[in-house]
Amino acid sequence: EPEVTQTPSHQVTQMGQEVILRCVPISNHLYFYWYRQILGQKVEFLVSFYNNEISEKSEIFDDQFSVERPDGSNFTLKIRSTKLEDSAMYFCASSEERASNQPQHFGDGTRLSIL
Amino acid sequence: KQEVTQIPAALSVPEGENLVLNCSFTDSAIYNLQWFRQDPGKGLTSLLLIQSSQREQTSGRLNASLDKSSGRSTLYIAASQPGDSATYLCAVEGGAQKLVFGQGTRLTINP
Repeated sequence: EPEVTQTPSHQVTQMGQEVILRCVPISNHLYFYWYRQILGQKVEFLVSFYNNEISEKSEIFDDQFSVERPDGSNFTLKIRSTKLEDSAMYFCASSEERASNQPQHFGDGTRLSIL
Repeated sequence: KQEVTQIPAALSVPEGENLVLNCSFTDSAIYNLQWFRQDPGKGLTSLLLIQSSQREQTSGRLNASLDKSSGRSTLYIAASQPGDSATYLCAVEGGAQKLVFGQGTRLTINP
């Protein structure tokens, strides 16, 4: 069964450094998402992306964050200058159509640790 | 602002029992509700999606119901097995393609 793949599985970065998290969505999917889960807390929406632009973003997704689909297969989340509070599990998801009609499928996540 | 709550936070039952997990949400204006399973250190596996116009969905031993007017959903698991042990999350989509998640119910099935 097709799946969303994320790399790396674990990223350790010094505070203030830039980090790029990578995702390969399911190939025929058109909608892409990033979520995060701080340890012990709820999964939180960050951003949705469709047709090469951001559809919706949360208040968490400030100027330090950006997303990009650099080619036909990858979808990336960049954090420009990481803070300690950015430490979390970051999940990429994709859906075939608008989410109200089709489920969102999630990857296994990237655990980001900021030192 | 949409809030999603799941009760109980943790549940432990003997193998073979039927069980119900609960999810409630504060704003009934939703497009759909999705149930996920999360294994430790892993991502979220989609189990069932119920659109707002539907009352229930079934997949194998799982049955999810939705009562939009009262802001409630239940996930019924029949004949539980140790392999069902995981955290179960519900999430609602109220628009803009973003899911709002509950805290999850950590389920343990004892052999």
